[in-house]
Amino acid sequence: SAVISQKPSRDICQRGTSLTIQCQVDSQVTMMFWYRQQPGQSLTLIATANQGSEATYESGFVIDKFPISRPNLTFSTLTVSNMSPEDSSIYLCSVELQQETQYFGPGTRLLVL
Amino acid sequence: QQQVKQSPQSLIVQKGGISIINCAYENTAFDYFPWYQQFPGKGPALLIAIRPDVSEKKEGRFTISFNKSAKQFSLHIMDSQPGDSATYFCAAQAEYGGATNKLIFGTGTLLAVQP
Repeated sequence: SAVISQKPSRDICQRGTSLTIQCQVDSQVTMMFWYRQQPGQSLTLIATANQGSEATYESGFVIDKFPISRPNLTFSTLTVSNMSPEDSSIYLCSVELQQETQYFGPGTRLLVL
Repeated sequence: QQQVKQSPQSLIVQKGGISIINCAYENTAFDYFPWYQQFPGKGPALLIAIRPDVSEKKEGRFTISFNKSAKQFSLHIMDSQPGDSATYFCAAQAEYGGATNKLIFGTGTLLAVQP
């Protein structure tokens, strides 16, 4: 497995502001993923972030709202831009180690007022 | 076709009993089926996974049963313990054109094991 950390672990933000979430993994990985999990709900993939290429976004998610950086093989950031209360959620990053096996970080709990 | 249907939504089991959670899928391209366990305030943790070339996989008290023809798979937790109380997610994954591997998650099952 891998040790995955996320910062911040939680935050309370005002609407209209932006928050950047960091994901750090203790080994080099090619594929990193960002998910959203709304309270009591399942996980929804936001985008896939491969090092050296532009992130690939899922239907319903756009780069202007959720810009992603992937500067190296151990780090990625997700920014939630121009936040509204509907963005209140848990944001999770995951990495793929062995073929098709994904491991998740602890999540960032975001509350937008 | 991309959905994974999971049931039940919630489950209450007595300590020592068997917990059974079921999932079904439509997309025959799925070739990897993991189960994740999530405790409150934590990220999902990989519990056990199976590929379609076997019908059953067991790790300790956790067993996956896989029925390829019915496109169904299930998680069995034997001798359930209060510490197993968590939300369980099934998932399915297929390789798309050799590029992105996307995990499709079920809706989750909240398991409560009563002492």
